[in-house]
Amino acid sequence: QSALTQPRSVSGSPGQSVTISCTGTSSDVGGYNYVSWYQQHPGKAPKLMIYDVSKRPSGVPDHFSGSKSGNTASLTISGLQAEDEADYYCCSYAGSYTYVFGTGTKVTVL
Amino acid sequence: EVQLVESGGGLVQPGGSLRLSCAASGFTFSRYWMSWVRQAPGKGLEWVANIRQDGSEKYYMDSVKGRFTISRDNAKNSLYLQMNSLRVEDTAVYYCARRAALFPINIHYYYMDVWGKGTTVTVSS
Repeated sequence: QSALTQPRSVSGSPGQSVTISCTGTSSDVGGYNYVSWYQQHPGKAPKLMIYDVSKRPSGVPDHFSGSKSGNTASLTISGLQAEDEADYYCCSYAGSYTYVFGTGTKVTVL
Repeated sequence: EVQLVESGGGLVQPGGSLRLSCAASGFTFSRYWMSWVRQAPGKGLEWVANIRQDGSEKYYMDSVKGRFTISRDNAKNSLYLQMNSLRVEDTAVYYCARRAALFPINIHYYYMDVWGKGTTVTVSS
């Protein structure tokens, strides 16, 4: 149950795109198409942004997108906006009804 | 409105016990798997445990096995986490979360779609 690896921070100017990687193993990210992404603003509860690798819940802006290749999943924020500044966490199903989260990435809008 | 409200957090000494509660409202609680997720100060999210709709199956992260017990009371729309033999490293905000599902076709997804605001547990002497 080791945490998935994410970059500590990424940054971009308004309107630019940033991509956050989430690297696991064949026992979690690589083994299932069940990667989700959560946004967390300081002092707030996590909010679901992407599920099942690339699906967006209703109400989530379409400039958020997800993908996966092998043991690495990615979240891309296109057209970065000030309100996108937050911490982002990936999460993968890891079998036997267990889950593992990523280490978290701080997104800064310059 | 779909809502989860945690309570029961506080300051406890190492080796002590604490019971967290999560009150659910706005949805049919008994239909859903439920989870606890925690976040240590300045750290990332960490899945702790989850429980099947009827309480018949429970799963835990390795570091809390044998110390924490997840349970639920569907008549009271409530989820619980009994924490024993607490350690300093258990200090965290504990969130209650709902595993997503789609009814009436009864599909259960592998992500958490509703979260509470959390309750803070501090383990310190």
